Amino acid sequence: NAGVTQTPKFQVLKTGQSMTLQCAQDMNHNSMYWYRQDPGMGLRLIYYSASEGTTDKGEVPNGYNVSRLNKREFSLRLESAAPSQTSVYFCASSDGLAETDTQYFGPGTRLTVL
Amino acid sequence: AQSVTQLGSHVSVSEGALVLLRCNYSSSVPPYLFWYVQYPNQGLQLLLKYTSAATLVKGINGFEAEFKKSETSFHLTKPSAHMSDAAEYFCAGAAGNKLTFGGGTRVLVKP
Repeated sequence: NAGVTQTPKFQVLKTGQSMTLQCAQDMNHNSMYWYRQDPGMGLRLIYYSASEGTTDKGEVPNGYNVSRLNKREFSLRLESAAPSQTSVYFCASSDGLAETDTQYFGPGTRLTVL
Repeated sequence: AQSVTQLGSHVSVSEGALVLLRCNYSSSVPPYLFWYVQYPNQGLQLLLKYTSAATLVKGINGFEAEFKKSETSFHLTKPSAHMSDAAEYFCAGAAGNKLTFGGGTRVLVKP
């Protein structure tokens, strides 16, 4: 099992460009998440998907859109990138939405917006 | 709303010494708490989690954490640090279906 995979690993964008971050999991998990990690702030939830066909906003959704393509894949799109979106992005998945469910994380995408 | 606070953004320990990482939470409901570790250029891995079954929770790699309701704390310890423990550690609390993370503590292990 590969677990949670993310592409690309690194990306540099210019302000105003768009891009999509891809995430896939092979654990047959129902729930998937997108986080951003900034120094000293831990991880903050951008969007999550409780199950295929549903998505909900997290703590910091502005400037992002998501698509739950199928049970395996959950993508994050930046329509018009801004320097404030420079961050490391992590995708995660869990079996369900119970508070005790463990979230499994991908290796991250390091994004720089110039 | 729940919040999680980690005291100390950086901790330096000598190899073989005790590792103590502090985490305090605020919550109006029984918390479910997690410790994750992030090695350089990797994603987060679960070290251990508290789900109210026992107040002393043992995790991987010799780490353990004790839930103390009276102190609203969930500190992480390891009796003897190893060079491979150099990483960033995150405490997180679950409320509903969302994890709230602390700011992280970076551990440096000196030979």
